[in-house]
Amino acid sequence: GEDVEQSLFLSVREGDSSVINCTYTDSSSTYLYWYKQEPGAGLQLLTYIFSNMDMKQDQRLTVLLNKKDKHLSLRIADTQTGDSAIYFCAEPYFADGLTFGKGTHLIIQP
Amino acid sequence: DGGITQSPKYLFRKEGQNVTLSCEQNLNHDAMYWYRQDPGQGLRLIYYSQIVNDFQKGDIAEGYSVSREKKESFPLTVTSAQKNPTAFYLCASSINGGPYNEQFFGPGTRLTVL
Repeated sequence: GEDVEQSLFLSVREGDSSVINCTYTDSSSTYLYWYKQEPGAGLQLLTYIFSNMDMKQDQRLTVLLNKKDKHLSLRIADTQTGDSAIYFCAEPYFADGLTFGKGTHLIIQP
Repeated sequence: DGGITQSPKYLFRKEGQNVTLSCEQNLNHDAMYWYRQDPGQGLRLIYYSQIVNDFQKGDIAEGYSVSREKKESFPLTVTSAQKNPTAFYLCASSINGGPYNEQFFGPGTRLTVL
């Protein structure tokens, strides 16, 4: 079947903006999610967007949703060393489950 | 504090041995999940349970078994039939029902087969 697609790596300089992209599979998905995983830890929900929204902003985070292209992006403004992590895009999969992308490793250059 | 716990954090197993990973939650969530994470592979669903005494296979269930005798607990057994069990295992839970599907994750167990 189709997969949720993400680039594996993104490298940015400290202080710049990071944009992590995701292509999801189901145009009827009601909510779409971004999770963050720090080294050796579980995943934590970072933010989410409801499908009737095009954009959601939460402090340094901006989520953009393009339903026509099934494209989701996460922008992190003023990227800091603490933002270094793996970021997963997720969409509803079955009943109450989620399917996750492979994750994007965000690497911060000093 | 409400949360989801996994134990142990690190686990070592000899080839041919079964091993059980613990997952407990006190969030009163109906649904629980087990994922396996390998480098570059993302999360792959092993088993999930939407209610006590019921569970279903995920995408990579072969070589694994689970039980759901209590709402709070969803242990995963990695059997000797699992050909490549070395991985990071993540347990998660969510409130059942409704379109909002946030999953809460435990800290993970890293299993290494010697």
